[in-house]
Amino acid sequence: QKEVEQDPGPLSVPEGAIVSLNCTYSNSAFQYFMWYRQYSRKGPELLMYTYSSGNKEDGRFTAQVDKSSKYISLFIRDSQPSDSATYLCAMSQGGKLIFGQGTELSVKP
Amino acid sequence: DTGVSQNPRHKITKRGQNVTFRCDPISEHNRLYWYRQTLGQGPEFLTYFQNEAQLEKSRLLSDRFSAERPKGSFSTLEIQRTEQGDSAMYLCASSLGEGRSSGNTIYFGEGSWLTVV
Repeated sequence: QKEVEQDPGPLSVPEGAIVSLNCTYSNSAFQYFMWYRQYSRKGPELLMYTYSSGNKEDGRFTAQVDKSSKYISLFIRDSQPSDSATYLCAMSQGGKLIFGQGTELSVKP
Repeated sequence: DTGVSQNPRHKITKRGQNVTFRCDPISEHNRLYWYRQTLGQGPEFLTYFQNEAQLEKSRLLSDRFSAERPKGSFSTLEIQRTEQGDSAMYLCASSLGEGRSSGNTIYFGEGSWLTVV
């Protein structure tokens, strides 16, 4: 079993939809949780960062962490075609990042 | 552009040849990481440096792989006797400090694509 599990999708939604992306993890020592966005053939770029349990909002994006369930989520409101990308969850361990498999999202106009 | 810079962006090589990738981190970032990513997978950690010291190597980093960071500035990743299974995107990243807090974000480069034929 991988330390971080993420549904690879692909996920296709119409423009304006609310998107929910999720990851589960097994290591209870993880405390820092991140979401990266990766466009095709590009490097990952940091979207959201959360420490421990709770919610964090940034514009159309909301990150949630539930440490008791070892479950993290990223919500995208009013999704746009420009949101089409692969979304990677990542967790920090000893200063390095452990990534999920990535979920490929397509937002159709 | 003051981001993480990687060269070359693409490399096609024959099996058995050696290849070297270079990474220039963001100025003053003391941590430098190498990751490998194959299609449909998330990046996998290979190794990282704190200044010039290589602090951790993944089991994925076989004896054919070597990374250096002379003088704590740029870094090179060399793959000797390449195999088809080495085909992947090699990502370099850097951070100021341990990369655990919001002030120490880990920034990634655009990656170097390797195709072994």
